[in-house]
Amino acid sequence: AQTVTQSQPEMSVQEAETVTLSCTYDTSENNYYLFWYKQPPSRQMILVIRQEAYKQQNATENRFSVNFQKAAKSFSLKISDSQLGDTAMYFCAFFLFGNEKLTFGTGTRLTIIP
Amino acid sequence: EPEVTQTPSHQVTQMGQEVILRCVPISNHLYFYWYRQILGQKVEFLVSFYNNEISEKSEIFDDQFSVERPDGSNFTLKIRSTKLEDSAMYFCASRHNRGTNYGYTFGSGTRLTVV
Repeated sequence: AQTVTQSQPEMSVQEAETVTLSCTYDTSENNYYLFWYKQPPSRQMILVIRQEAYKQQNATENRFSVNFQKAAKSFSLKISDSQLGDTAMYFCAFFLFGNEKLTFGTGTRLTIIP
Repeated sequence: EPEVTQTPSHQVTQMGQEVILRCVPISNHLYFYWYRQILGQKVEFLVSFYNNEISEKSEIFDDQFSVERPDGSNFTLKIRSTKLEDSAMYFCASRHNRGTNYGYTFGSGTRLTVV
């Protein structure tokens, strides 16, 4: 079974700074997706960024980028120029082709300080 | 942008009562899911549904739970006899399976409170 580990339960950073959230995962498979989801206080699950395992290039979405290290099974999220609206829980998630479910980590609560 | 719609947003029910949580997935999506998040904990997979049948379910999804796609648009989760520990946020999700864009979209959730 796949597992996803987020070792930082809480983080805080000053507005406009850069922050990196860590995620590691364990799988023996080769064909999968990785995701970061944001969950603001409204508790809606919002997709932040997606990475296909077969792509070597790291995904980027505006201020959000990932550092995908496949051999190390690491998938960190970098938020640049952080904004107050980035305050939320962030979940790392793993999706294996042929297995229907997303496996989530325990989340990192990120607070952006004005 | 297409959305997954869930109703109600919040439901309070007495222990032992039946509840039905409703979802309208994105219209061209083929795979449907229910996930659960107990307050302060991680999001857990409950069940996946494809081609009008359950394709996978977790150990949480016992005989008290059932899913149905009664028409071409709705996807429901029924809990037959609710327990206090069923109190959680329930998320519906859907995805298509075209090309390499595994778009996986969540609804905004139903907060279920069992009293």
